[in-house]
Amino acid sequence: DADVTQTPRNRITKTGKRIMLECSQTKGHDRMYWYRQDPGLGLRLIYYSFDVKDINKGEISDGYSVSRQAQAKFSLSLESAIPNQTALYFCATSDLRPNTGELFFGEGSRLTVL
Amino acid sequence: DQQVKQNSPSLSVQEGRISILNCDYTNSMFDYFLWYKKYPAEGPTFLISISSIKDKNEDGRFTVFLNKSAKHLSLHIVPSQPGDSAVYFCAASGRGSGNTGKLIFGQGTTLQVKP
Repeated sequence: DADVTQTPRNRITKTGKRIMLECSQTKGHDRMYWYRQDPGLGLRLIYYSFDVKDINKGEISDGYSVSRQAQAKFSLSLESAIPNQTALYFCATSDLRPNTGELFFGEGSRLTVL
Repeated sequence: DQQVKQNSPSLSVQEGRISILNCDYTNSMFDYFLWYKKYPAEGPTFLISISSIKDKNEDGRFTVFLNKSAKHLSLHIVPSQPGDSAVYFCAASGRGSGNTGKLIFGQGTTLQVKP
């Protein structure tokens, strides 16, 4: 089983719908992140969390919200999806210890907003 | 404002030859640099990293070079193998990203190694 699991792996939805992407991890890491990948733009940080009580905005948080339900779970919500949120979304984790920046990624959730 | 830039979207090399992937950064506060590799339908995986106190780090066929004065790093793969065909992301962290461990990624370079 993957250490970082994302659900769903693929989702097609319509403009205005609410969507939740879920992430769970078995690595025991405190830090969790949500990134999106777009062609020509690489990976951009949406939100990150350093522990259950800590939520921080990343580069592109507008239109998104997150919830850290437990150390192992971090979900990303699109309250009212729009077509330019069509992208590949990645959840990632990292260790709290002296930080080398290494992230461990899930396999991605491909979201299409029509 | 793209703080980490990979100006070559794609690179094609012959099996057995050297692959050189380049990355430039603009923020002098970055002090740690990483390369990630991504296959289709998978998440990125860590490949190799380098601290700003070094100018070279080697791991098997992979070597990363850092030129701080030019704010440039490169990944060398020697010899290249067809299994190296993937998208490669350069990333940076450190005080330039708020010293929070956040990584700032480049746009990615798609490497194709031809048999």
